[in-house]
Amino acid sequence: GENVEQHPSTLSVQEGDSAVIKCTYSDSASNYFPWYKQELGKGPQLIIDIRSNVGEKKDQRIAVTLNKTAKHFSLHITETQPEDSAVYFCAARLTTDSWGKLQFGAGTQVVVTP
Amino acid sequence: DARVTQTPRHKVTEMGQEVTMRCQPILGHNTVFWYRQTMMQGLELLAYFRNRAPLDDSGMPKDRFSAEMPDATLATLKIQPSEPRDSAVYFCASGHIYEQYFGPGTRLTVT
Repeated sequence: GENVEQHPSTLSVQEGDSAVIKCTYSDSASNYFPWYKQELGKGPQLIIDIRSNVGEKKDQRIAVTLNKTAKHFSLHITETQPEDSAVYFCAARLTTDSWGKLQFGAGTQVVVTP
Repeated sequence: DARVTQTPRHKVTEMGQEVTMRCQPILGHNTVFWYRQTMMQGLELLAYFRNRAPLDDSGMPKDRFSAEMPDATLATLKIQPSEPRDSAVYFCASGHIYEQYFGPGTRLTVT
């Protein structure tokens, strides 16, 4: 089955700086890579996703990059703000799983200090 | 804004009692997932349904957990009997093809 590793487990950044979270996956058959943001006491919120036929995708201050050869993908947050503080999860979905099952990383606690 | 709703949001119960958690998926979504989140294990997939049919419940302890989808607007997760180790946050998520959208969760405490 698919295995997703996520690094770092915690990330502290100054407001205005950039944050980068990296994930690696094991199965080259994976074709869909979402990122979720989870604030305290809430459910994970889908913030951006990328499919295997695309190398990069941006949405305002967040971007995701995918390197299929190396089997890793990253989340980039620019100009961080205190409201970006949360736990971020990456995930991967196998092409062979037509029902949409996701394998999640362990999460990254991001703290943005003013 | 279409959202997944879950009830109850919080549940405290004594060991041995039955617990039922409910989920209303987003209208039009045909896949429903149940997850459990703990500090130690992270997000674990318990079961999922496609067009109301159970596809995989291998993540659930079969002797005490059961998941059903009696109709397209309701999914249920039951624990009977509950144990302290079941204390966790239980999330329901719904989706169509790729994206999954999570509900706010049910925080379960079993004493």
